[in-house]
Amino acid sequence: AQSVTQPDIHITVSEGASLELRCNYSYGATPYLFWYVQSPGQGLQLLLKYFSGDTLVQGIKGFEAEFKRSQSSFNLRKPSVHWSDAAEYFCAVGAQSGTSYGKLTFGQGTILTVHP
Amino acid sequence: KAGVTQTPRYLIKTRGQQVTLSCSPISGHRSVSWYQQTPGQGLQFLFEYFSETQRNKGNFPGRFSGRQFSNSRSEMNVSTLELGDSALYLCASSLASGGSHPGTQYFGPGTRLLVL
Repeated sequence: AQSVTQPDIHITVSEGASLELRCNYSYGATPYLFWYVQSPGQGLQLLLKYFSGDTLVQGIKGFEAEFKRSQSSFNLRKPSVHWSDAAEYFCAVGAQSGTSYGKLTFGQGTILTVHP
Repeated sequence: KAGVTQTPRYLIKTRGQQVTLSCSPISGHRSVSWYQQTPGQGLQFLFEYFSETQRNKGNFPGRFSGRQFSNSRSEMNVSTLELGDSALYLCASSLASGGSHPGTQYFGPGTRLLVL
């Protein structure tokens, strides 16, 4: 069974500081990995995804993530955080076979607070 | 292209009633997945439809059901509502077909259901 762990429930950073949100996954085959962001009362917006190839992927809003198979991790980074980045961030793993059709398994989310 | 739309955006029901939520996917997307989001359980997969067929179902009671129409629009129904069904219900659409690639899921804004 696939699973995702986001170890940090809440992170606070100052505006302009760098950011790293951690994500660890468990999946027996090649994982398809995603980061989504959710503002209060809103749906999920896709930030970036990893399917194959280059292990460093670029996303929207200046975010990037690095896939490390040896560590089963897919951490999200941003070099300089803006106040508008305050939101909840979700890491997810997907597959497409058998009982996994159309199913994303999400981590519990990390709430990001940005101080001015 | 228009994004995923969900109607209604907000609903208030009482215990024992039933409710139907609607989801219109991005044009051309044939896969629709549904998720329940609650503060306690996080984001949980309900089911996925592709070409009017349910391909996958999460671990929810039979009170939760869904269907997909020939135009890929989907509905989910919850019968005999319980207080614990209060949640944000999100649908997502993707291009995923029958291959091994999961596709990227794009989410709608959600329907906020409150059961009194």
